[in-house]
Amino acid sequence: SAVISQKPSRDICQRGTSLTIQCQVDSQVTMMFWYRQQPGQSLTLIATANQGSEATYESGFVIDKFPISRPNLTFSTLTVSNMSPEDSSIYLCSVGTGVKEQYFGPGTRLTVT
Amino acid sequence: AQSVTQLGSHVSVSEGALVLLRCNYSSSVPPYLFWYVQYPNQGLQLLLKYTSAATLVKGINGFEAEFKKSETSFHLTKPSAHMSDAAEYFCAVSVGGQAGTALIFGKGTTLSVSS
Repeated sequence: SAVISQKPSRDICQRGTSLTIQCQVDSQVTMMFWYRQQPGQSLTLIATANQGSEATYESGFVIDKFPISRPNLTFSTLTVSNMSPEDSSIYLCSVGTGVKEQYFGPGTRLTVT
Repeated sequence: AQSVTQLGSHVSVSEGALVLLRCNYSSSVPPYLFWYVQYPNQGLQLLLKYTSAATLVKGINGFEAEFKKSETSFHLTKPSAHMSDAAEYFCAVSVGGQAGTALIFGKGTTLSVSS
């Protein structure tokens, strides 16, 4: 298994600003993912964070809005840029292990005013 | 492409009654399937997973699910509901049928349990 922590756990931000969310894993993992869960909705994959290369973004998500870093095998950041109220969501990171499952962090609850 | 459909956005049962949450999947390759639970204001917890071994999968908290290829289903059941089971439940399929890859989630089913 993997233990994942995220910082911050929640934040309230003003529109037009940016927030960087950190994801730390207690072991080295190859695959890290970022998801968004809008209020009352399911989870949507934003991107796959690849160590040593650019992140791979899903349709509807762009690097300028959600830049991602993956400097090593235990850490990743997601930045939500130029925020608007529509960005108010829970942002979750997850890791894929070699045993066919994913573990999720506790999430970062973002409110944009 | 993979997709997941959860039938019923809200299921209500009485305490002690059978819980049945429905999930159908679409996958062009043999799927890996998962059920997650999310309690209010908490993260996701893995309930159980199907990874092409036994078709009847037992998970935590008394839940189990049966993989039925002919019906493309992976319904979640629990014989006797408890008040603490009230939560949001998500069915998910692994993208591309590969181990440890991204997941596609269903829209979720809210389970309410009344006394």
